[in-house]
Amino acid sequence: EVQLVESGGSVVRPGGSLRLSCAASGFRFDDHGMNWVRQAPGKGLEWVSGINWNGGSTGQVDSVKGRFTISRDNARNSLFLQMNGLRAEDTALYLCARSRGVNWNYVDFDYWGQGTLVTVSS
Amino acid sequence: DIVMTQSPDSLAVSLGERATINCKSSQSVLYSLNNENYLAWYQQKPGQPPKLLIYWASNRESGVPDRFSGSGSGTDFTLTISSLQAEDVAVYYCQQYETTPPTFGQGTRLELK
Repeated sequence: EVQLVESGGSVVRPGGSLRLSCAASGFRFDDHGMNWVRQAPGKGLEWVSGINWNGGSTGQVDSVKGRFTISRDNARNSLFLQMNGLRAEDTALYLCARSRGVNWNYVDFDYWGQGTLVTVSS
Repeated sequence: DIVMTQSPDSLAVSLGERATINCKSSQSVLYSLNNENYLAWYQQKPGQPPKLLIYWASNRESGVPDRFSGSGSGTDFTLTISSLQAEDVAVYYCQQYETTPPTFGQGTRLELK
C-alpha cells in the first residue's frame, strides 16, 4: 500500500524557517517524481514545488522561488521542503503528492499524503 | 500561467441523479505531438487529501467507480457522475499539467439536494 506521511509543520514567525519531510513507503520511491502542494485554510489547491526521480530537475511556483528548496533522499525514501523567509501567505496545509512516472512535470498526481500544517504568525 | 475556471462553484444534486461539473482552461491543454489532453480531476472529501479520479481527461484511475467519467478536449472539459451516491459529496478540482506550473481550478462543492 502506498503511504505518504508528512511531518515538520508548526507555528513559525514571519521571516522564519521550517523543513518539511515526507516519508514514502509501499512503492519504489526512485521510480517517481514528487511534489509539494499546499492548501490554505478553507481554500483550494496550489502546486508549490516538484522534483524528478533523481533530484536532477526541480520546479517551483513563482511565489516561493528563492525562498523554498525541494530535495529528496532516495536511500531514505524521503522528500523534503526547506522553507525560508516565511510569510503569512505561506500559511497552509502542505501535502506531499506522488507523480505518475519519473518526472515532476507533465504528469498527474496519483497519491497524496494527509499533509502537515504550517502557520506563519507573529 | 494557465488559469483553470470551474463551474458551477457549488452544486446540489439528488441521490441517483446526474451531476456535471465543468472546467475551462485559459489556453489549450491538448499536446499535439501525442494528442493527449493534460487534464486531471480530483475528489476531496472533508478532512481528507485529494484523490485522483481521472487523468488524460478521460482515463479513469484504477479503483474509481465507473459512474465517474471525464470528457472534453482543448480548453473545455466535463466531469460527470452518472448516478450520485451519498459518498460522492465532496469538493472536485480539475488540474492542468500541460504547462508549468501545474494549476488547479478553484473547486466545485457537490452536495446532496
